Amino acid sequence: LAKTTQPISMDSYEGQEVNITCSHNNIATNDYITWYQQFPSQGPRFIIQGYKTKVTNEVASLFIPADRKSSTLSLPRVSLSDTAVYYCLVGDGSGGSYIPTFGRGTSLIVHP
Amino acid sequence: SAVISQKPSRDICQRGTSLTIQCQVDSQVTMMFWYRQQPGQSLTLIATANQGSEATYESGFVIDKFPISRPNLTFSTLTVSNMSPEDSSIYLCSVESSREGTDTQYFGPGTRLTVL
Repeated sequence: LAKTTQPISMDSYEGQEVNITCSHNNIATNDYITWYQQFPSQGPRFIIQGYKTKVTNEVASLFIPADRKSSTLSLPRVSLSDTAVYYCLVGDGSGGSYIPTFGRGTSLIVHP
Repeated sequence: SAVISQKPSRDICQRGTSLTIQCQVDSQVTMMFWYRQQPGQSLTLIATANQGSEATYESGFVIDKFPISRPNLTFSTLTVSNMSPEDSSIYLCSVESSREGTDTQYFGPGTRLTVL
């Protein structure tokens, strides 16, 4: 199972761009990278998923370098409501035996 | 994406009793997962439940303590048996669903369990 390493916590201010980097040095060829957001007392919510290069959706962007040993979640212009824990997961999203493993996540606090 | 509901959303139980948590999905899925999240901690996988087969438990979790049923492709239950205060956690079910050609996990809202 590919392990991930993220900063334990980050602080930011409203309107700023936040970049959270995740290291996954032993990512496998079939592994996809998925990010989740979790608010207190709620289940994790899917944010974005990618395999390589850049992926963008309505809430975030995901940057993955060519070696795929890390990835960066980018949240544009954060607001107070983006205060949450963000988890990076890697796993085989191609129909293999994907057993997702959660690391400690990054606790993001957005200040006024 | 799959829409998942859990019942109950929360409960307070006495030690020594058992609680069964239900997980309902709005579409048919092959793989369902049960997680535990203790206060201030990350999610820990309890077991994987595929329809038509016995659940596969992770290290540290056993069937006698956490029996799981998976009667069809949209429903599963997790029972927390002979509870103790150490079982106080949020219990989450999740499903694996295809999204744009890749497999992605979607989570239910969780069941907050407090054992006195």
